[in-house]
Amino acid sequence: KAGVTQTPRYLIKTRGQQVTLSCSPISGHRSVSWYQQTPGQGLQFLFEYFSETQRNKGNFPGRFSGRQFSNSRSEMNVSTLELGDSALYLCASSLDGEPRGGYTFGSGTRLTVV
Amino acid sequence: AQSVTQPDIHITVSEGASLELRCNYSYGATPYLFWYVQSPGQGLQLLLKYFSGDTLVQGIKGFEAEFKRSQSSFNLRKPSVHWSDAAEYFCAVGADFGNEKLTFGTGTRLTIIP
Repeated sequence: KAGVTQTPRYLIKTRGQQVTLSCSPISGHRSVSWYQQTPGQGLQFLFEYFSETQRNKGNFPGRFSGRQFSNSRSEMNVSTLELGDSALYLCASSLDGEPRGGYTFGSGTRLTVV
Repeated sequence: AQSVTQPDIHITVSEGASLELRCNYSYGATPYLFWYVQSPGQGLQLLLKYFSGDTLVQGIKGFEAEFKRSQSSFNLRKPSVHWSDAAEYFCAVGADFGNEKLTFGTGTRLTIIP
């Protein structure tokens, strides 16, 4: 079965702009989680969606938001971009979000803010 | 709240030598434990996971990990490394019951020398 698809793979944006990233989970999976990876902070949890509802949220400012559609595809949006938002953004697909089922990660979107 | 410590930032081993990457976790209940590997510019690939049962877990690419509750550890091992094992390795702990997310360690970068 197809894996987790994240688009785009690379993105360059200017400070102050906004950006939308997309994640298509494995077919049949209903949970999508988002993580930010930076050299300084490592891998940090952003939020998790299950059946179009946000169930958990990490410690990030309100500029970071997300949503999930009825087909389980998810988008995350970052508004008013800052240089510090430059990172690899990873999404993880899961059957129901529970760790017992495991998480499959996509290849990520590399965001560079200039 | 759960946490993960990977005390070794960088490890160098010779090709063919054995490998052990350390991971210590903190979690109040029985943890869900994972090891992921990340090649440069790529997403995370699951090596193995532990939920319950046998404390020695076998994974892909010849890796194994042992869960030791008394030491709060989940160390990753491989009897003989290959040059292709050079990558960054992340240990993670998962939670459930309303806190469905992964908490990652800071990672261990593995270099293989001929």
